Amino acid sequence: SQTIHQWPATLVQPVGSPLSLECTVEGTSNPNLYWYRQAAGRGLQLLFYSVGIGQISSEVPQNLSASRPQDRQFILSSKKLLLSDSGFYLCAWSQFSNQPQHFGDGTRLSIL
Amino acid sequence: DAKTTQPPSMDCAEGRAANLPCNHSTISGNEYVYWYRQIHSQGPQYIIHGLKNNETNEMASLIITEDRKSSTLILPHATLRDTAVYYCIVRSSNAGKSTFGDGTTLTVKP
Repeated sequence: SQTIHQWPATLVQPVGSPLSLECTVEGTSNPNLYWYRQAAGRGLQLLFYSVGIGQISSEVPQNLSASRPQDRQFILSSKKLLLSDSGFYLCAWSQFSNQPQHFGDGTRLSIL
Repeated sequence: DAKTTQPPSMDCAEGRAANLPCNHSTISGNEYVYWYRQIHSQGPQYIIHGLKNNETNEMASLIITEDRKSSTLILPHATLRDTAVYYCIVRSSNAGKSTFGDGTTLTVKP
């Protein structure tokens, strides 16, 4: 069966520091991969999605970037974090675009 | 992707059916209706999806109106563990992206 792993579960970072969040999927190949951000009490905002290695689509302009160095690895990064980058970050995968997305347990990022 | 509209909150008595409505009046012909739920501090969980026919699985039933402009998620016998935020989204089969609104907070009460 397929599983998705995200880490760390929680992270506290100072303003201006770099960020790297990692997501990996097991049990499938060539999945679609997604990064979402969720503000407290709100819905999910799609940040990036990828349909293959090295292929990244950005949905909103922001201080973050994404990379997909391997088929089942998706990384969310920032060179300098802002206070507004705080939130709950979720990674998801789907086998095809018209198939359900399956989410990881998320990373709660607090910027001080 | 079409926008969806859901009531912000609903209550349901334990053991009763929970009927969660969703409006998606601008849905286009190739867009599916998906339902997810999110329990506090966890990632969303997929529940069910459909295109135009009604669907049922072990978790819920999905009723889509004939004009496809609205749908209802039915949890036939709600339990306390069904308390969560429920998201209705529409997605095109040609795109890899989804927009999640603020959802409906369902509270199941004993």
